[in-house]
Amino acid sequence: EVQLLESGGGLVQPGGSLRLSCAASGFTFSNYVMSWVRQAPGKGLEWVSAISGSGNSTYYADSVKGRFTISRDNSKNTLYLQMNSLRGEDTAVYYCAKGVYLTGCHWFDPWGQGTLVTVSS
Amino acid sequence: RVMTQSPATLSVSPGERATLSCRASQSVSSDLAWYQQKPGQAPRLVIYDASTRATGIPARFSGSGSGTEFTLTISSLQSEDFAIYYCQQYNNWPPITFGQGTRLEIK
Repeated sequence: EVQLLESGGGLVQPGGSLRLSCAASGFTFSNYVMSWVRQAPGKGLEWVSAISGSGNSTYYADSVKGRFTISRDNSKNTLYLQMNSLRGEDTAVYYCAKGVYLTGCHWFDPWGQGTLVTVSS
Repeated sequence: RVMTQSPATLSVSPGERATLSCRASQSVSSDLAWYQQKPGQAPRLVIYDASTRATGIPARFSGSGSGTEFTLTISSLQSEDFAIYYCQQYNNWPPITFGQGTRLEIK
């Protein structure tokens, strides 16, 4: 069974940093694109970032480009999102989601349970 | 690609048919997925490639459309189907884009 377990969320002050992790199991992690998708409280879904299976290619939404960095450690089956210069509008539940191929973004299946990031003073 | 879903809220009685719409600002071919999200849960894939049901999704769910107009139909609503549904395009990215969601509620 494919499982994705996010961690690392919490309360952080504006301008601060946080690193999210997503531990994957039940599939060959290095064979799949992985993404982060977020959902602000009471709002819809917003794609944040994606990374190819090898880790060589990364992609970002304009809203986080230059502030967030996606990475992966295929030896540990773990996906990361380093978030710097955090703003109030980054407050959201952050989901990691598995892609369907080694490269390229398509649909997401499955999703982790999410980790809440709150940016507030 | 901007994805626009309608209606924002749909009220339907159990056992009835529900039809949800998703429109793309430009053609996305058949590169469209639908997700179901219940309160406090992560989204769950329902349909991909516009019309292919995901593993474990009941046959009462069907997707149709291509280009800019898409529909998710639930033929006979069960209690567990009441949720928010999002469409997502993956034809032209980045960015991947989602619709704003349709809340399907019990009438």
